Amino acid sequence: EAGVTQFPSHSVIEKGQTVTLRCDPISGHDNLYWYRRVMGKEIKFLLHFVKESKQDESGMPNNRFLAERTGGTYSTLKVQPAELEDSGVYFCASSQEAVSYGYTFGSGTRLTVV
Amino acid sequence: SQQGEEDPQALSIQEGENATMNCSYKTSINNLQWYRQNSGRGLVHLILIRSNEREKHSGRLRVTLDTSKKSSSLLITASRAADTASYFCAGGSGSARQLTFGSGTQLTVLP
Repeated sequence: EAGVTQFPSHSVIEKGQTVTLRCDPISGHDNLYWYRRVMGKEIKFLLHFVKESKQDESGMPNNRFLAERTGGTYSTLKVQPAELEDSGVYFCASSQEAVSYGYTFGSGTRLTVV
Repeated sequence: SQQGEEDPQALSIQEGENATMNCSYKTSINNLQWYRQNSGRGLVHLILIRSNEREKHSGRLRVTLDTSKKSSSLLITASRAADTASYFCAGGSGSARQLTFGSGTQLTVLP
């Protein structure tokens, strides 16, 4: 079974530009999560999709971040415009059940805003 | 606010030695998980311990949980250079579908 796939693996953009991160969950997993680790700090929850619906977006830092999951398959996370403090590693995870275990994480996208 | 704190923040040991990492948390949990992240790679789930368990083993890993002290420890025995990575604890709550991670411990195992 293919795992959770994220791309790009790395992205370097200038402040003010737009970046879109993509996550392909494990096929059949209705639950998709986004997390990020900024500046070597703890990994923080961003949001949770159940199929195409946002179940919990309490961790989204501000309105420069937009997550979508059209059709309930892959998800995108767009940062527009990017700021320096957005630099970090963005992780995606998926699970069959909406519980706090049994996640499979992707390898992450390292975003650097310069 | 940071929910989980891990100590030490960095740990350097010789191959063959044991490595112990500790984690404290603030909120109620129904499970505590440990993850590993190798440089440039994703988070890999290592082990889960439920709130009604006190100790669990998996290969060279031993995890303990003390809910009265809201703390957990991860012991890696007979460490190998390949164990070099960042280790994170994460608390799972029954009411929330998200995990609350600690800040991680960077473990370096010297050959």
